[in-house]
Amino acid sequence: DADVTQTPRNRITKTGKRIMLECSQTKGHDRMYWYRQDPGLGLRLIYYSFDVKDINKGEISDGYSVSRQAQAKFSLSLESAIPNQTALYFCATSERTGTEAYNEQFFGPGTRLTVL
Amino acid sequence: KNQVEQSPQSLIILEGKNCTLQCNYTVSPFSNLRWYKQDTGRGPVSLTIMTFSENTKSNGRYTATLDADTKQSSLHITASQLSDSASYICVVDSNSGYALNFGKGTSLLVTP
Repeated sequence: DADVTQTPRNRITKTGKRIMLECSQTKGHDRMYWYRQDPGLGLRLIYYSFDVKDINKGEISDGYSVSRQAQAKFSLSLESAIPNQTALYFCATSERTGTEAYNEQFFGPGTRLTVL
Repeated sequence: KNQVEQSPQSLIILEGKNCTLQCNYTVSPFSNLRWYKQDTGRGPVSLTIMTFSENTKSNGRYTATLDADTKQSSLHITASQLSDSASYICVVDSNSGYALNFGKGTSLLVTP
């Protein structure tokens, strides 16, 4: 979805390096998410944020940190990258609604990260 | 433990043919079930979302069904096109609004 952009799209780094992945959205959504996708596995939630001051850990937050700089920007950092963090990373957004029944999430194009 | 199982893992069909993908889930509580299409190198895109009270929903040539009693869903693709080649992911929302349970996906290849 062009309304959700991620940078960089591809990144190769070495073990121990600090890496930041950035996500920006123009959809005006309050909620933002970071997922990782590994071959043969479903997407797994790393962190999520319901607004600038509300950040929560997801299923697999160890080794990651996030920053919600503004409503439209949500960054994911790997403080000291390790090879098993090699994966496809997706940012997603959703709108806060009165009911959660249709909390549709819109995904960015993904960042392919390789840690050597 | 919440689980979403999809079958088959992969599927090859001829252009113009129909196919049905399956999803079984053990997620509780249940809020809604979604089907996403993910093209290679792209993010997932929503096809349908169904709540507990909905048992079928269509989006063009895509028709999803839901049986909440047996905890099964299917995605039927009619008159397949080459552009349908993608991974199709079943996702169950356990009424959290954020913690989605993702299946591993079915990889569909449509050949000429």
